Amino acid sequence: AQSVAQPEDQVNVAEGNPLTVKCTYSVSGNPYLFWYVQYPNRGLQFLLKYITGDNLVKGSYGFEAEFNKSQTSFHLKKPSALVSDSALYFCAVRDGGRGNTPLVFGKGTRLSVIA
Amino acid sequence: GAVVSQHPSRVICKSGTSVKIECRSLDFQATTMFWYRQFPKQSLMLMATSNEGSKATYEQGVEKDKFLINHASLTLSTLTVTSAHPEDSSFYICSARDQGTGGAGTEAFFGQGTRLTVV
Repeated sequence: AQSVAQPEDQVNVAEGNPLTVKCTYSVSGNPYLFWYVQYPNRGLQFLLKYITGDNLVKGSYGFEAEFNKSQTSFHLKKPSALVSDSALYFCAVRDGGRGNTPLVFGKGTRLSVIA
Repeated sequence: GAVVSQHPSRVICKSGTSVKIECRSLDFQATTMFWYRQFPKQSLMLMATSNEGSKATYEQGVEKDKFLINHASLTLSTLTVTSAHPEDSSFYICSARDQGTGGAGTEAFFGQGTRLTVV
């Protein structure tokens, strides 16, 4: 079975500071990992993904994430946070060997960037 | 990128009535779509997998007779909440992947979500 853990319900960071939103995963096959962001009363917007290749992936709005196989982690990072980054962030995983299966989501981390 | 459109974005209905939510893939064909439910301050809970031309696959604990899913074409899936009750009030989100462009590694795209309030 697949699972995703986001250990922090809330992350607070000052504007301009670097931010990290943590994610660890469990999957039996090859992990396909995704980050999404959700603004109030909206659907999820895709930020970035790791499928294979370079462990550091870059995505939308200056976000990046690093795949660490030994630690089974896929933390989301941004060098300099903006107030507009404040939102709910979801990490998700799919077993790469299982075809068109749904994503399994973490419980989400609320990011608050303070001016 | 691929776009998934969901309608309506917000609906209020009386208890006992039915509500239909539409999910469309606008620029790609989706043989499979997924329906999620999100409770306040919680993650997305997968309700069912909608398969074009065949019956939907429901997750354990989801009543198939209450949440009717129809996937009549490659670009449209509908979720009908039948005989709605206040406890059905929630945020419903659909998603789909453009499998034609990248296989299993393709990201899923999500509709805007539907806020259902049953009074």
